[in-house]
Amino acid sequence: EPEVTQTPSHQVTQMGQEVILRCVPISNHLYFYWYRQILGQKVEFLVSFYNNEISEKSEIFDDQFSVERPDGSNFTLKIRSTKLEDSAMYFCASSGRSRSNYEQYFGPGTRLTVT
Amino acid sequence: AQRVTQPEKLLSVFKGAPVELKCNYSYSGSPELFWYVQYSRQRLQLLLRHISRESIKGFTADLNKGETSFHLKKPFAQEEDSAMYYCALRYFGNEKLTFGTGTRLTIIP
Repeated sequence: EPEVTQTPSHQVTQMGQEVILRCVPISNHLYFYWYRQILGQKVEFLVSFYNNEISEKSEIFDDQFSVERPDGSNFTLKIRSTKLEDSAMYFCASSGRSRSNYEQYFGPGTRLTVT
Repeated sequence: AQRVTQPEKLLSVFKGAPVELKCNYSYSGSPELFWYVQYSRQRLQLLLRHISRESIKGFTADLNKGETSFHLKKPFAQEEDSAMYYCALRYFGNEKLTFGTGTRLTIIP
């Protein structure tokens, strides 16, 4: 069964550094998402992406964040200048197009630790 | 604003006993409600959604609009049900999922 994959599984970075989290969505999916979960807190929506554009973003997704689909397979989340409070588990998800296929399939997550 | 509340962080149930995981939501329109499950060392996966009205792994959930609830139930718990369970909401025509804080269910053998 096809799955969403994410790399790396764990990323440690210093405050102020840029990080890029990578995701490979399921191949025939057209909607892509990033969520994050700070330790002990709920899973929070960051951004959705469709047709090479951001379709919705949360208030968390400020100018420090950007998303890109640089080729036909990867979907990336970039944090330009990381802060301590960016430490979290970041989940990528994708979903198909038709109404009957609205399930969001999640990747295993990337644990980001900012020191 | 849409909000999902799962009042129990932890729930322990004996094997064979009934399980109920509570979920309440606040939203002014017509929401779509989901239960997601995360087994140990596995990814978040969809367990069931209210529009399907189906039973998955013996679990059912009924949307009660009057009480704004979507509780997850199973009549007889099994050890393999031990996992983290998240209730989530989405409103029709939108993609964003709003999650509750989750309930860790432990089934006692």
